[in-house]
Amino acid sequence: SQQGEEDPQALSIQEGENATMNCSYKTSINNLQWYRQNSGRGLVHLILIRSNEREKHSGRLRVTLDTSKKSSSLLITASRAADTASYFCATRGSSNTGKLIFGQGTTLQVKP
Amino acid sequence: DADVTQTPRNRITKTGKRIMLECSQTKGHDRMYWYRQDPGLGLRLIYYSFDVKDINKGEISDGYSVSRQAQAKFSLSLESAIPNQTALYFCATGGAGDSGANVLTFGAGSRLTVL
Repeated sequence: SQQGEEDPQALSIQEGENATMNCSYKTSINNLQWYRQNSGRGLVHLILIRSNEREKHSGRLRVTLDTSKKSSSLLITASRAADTASYFCATRGSSNTGKLIFGQGTTLQVKP
Repeated sequence: DADVTQTPRNRITKTGKRIMLECSQTKGHDRMYWYRQDPGLGLRLIYYSFDVKDINKGEISDGYSVSRQAQAKFSLSLESAIPNQTALYFCATGGAGDSGANVLTFGAGSRLTVL
C-alpha cells in the first residue's frame, strides 16, 4: 500500500491566497519530498525535508514535518495561476532501501 | 536534450501484445525507477534498479518485467498487455549523493492504452 496519504484531494483558491496541503505517512522515514506535476507531465522535485528537520523554506514554499504525528504540510504563499498543478509528497523509508513511495496527490487550482 | 528520455511517448496496443517502454538518462545516476500513474491513485512503484546487476520489485510488479541494459538504460516490458495496464508510465532516476537523499528526476511519461 502507498506510504503517503494527502489531504485535501483537491483545492481551489484565488490568486494571492495561500494554499496548504497535508501529507500523512505510515512508517519511519529518512526524508520526505514534495513534487509538482503539471497536467500529464513528469514530476518535478520541489523541496526535501529530512527526518531531523522540522521546517524548511524555499522561495514561496514552506514545508513542515512532524515525525511524532507522521505528517507533513506544504504551504504555498501568495499563490499564482501558474501554481495550478498536482502536488505529491514522497517518502524515503529509514531502512535505506532507496525506494521513494508517493502519495495520491493534491490537485491545486489557482483562479486568476 | 532531456535528462531522462522515455520512448514511446504514446502507444496504443491490443490485448495480448508485447510492449516495451524504454528509458535512457544522461544524469549519470545509478538508480532508476519505473512508476505507473492512474487517476486518483498517485504513482505506484513497479520496479527499481540500483545498478546494472541489481533489480528489485516494487509495489505492483505482477505482469511487468524490466531490463537494465546499461547504467543509462532501463526498459519496462509488458509480456502480454491487458486493458487494466492502461496508464501513464514514468521512468525516474536518482542519485545516492547528497547524503543519500535520493531526489528523483522524471521523464516526460509514456501514455499506454491497451484495447
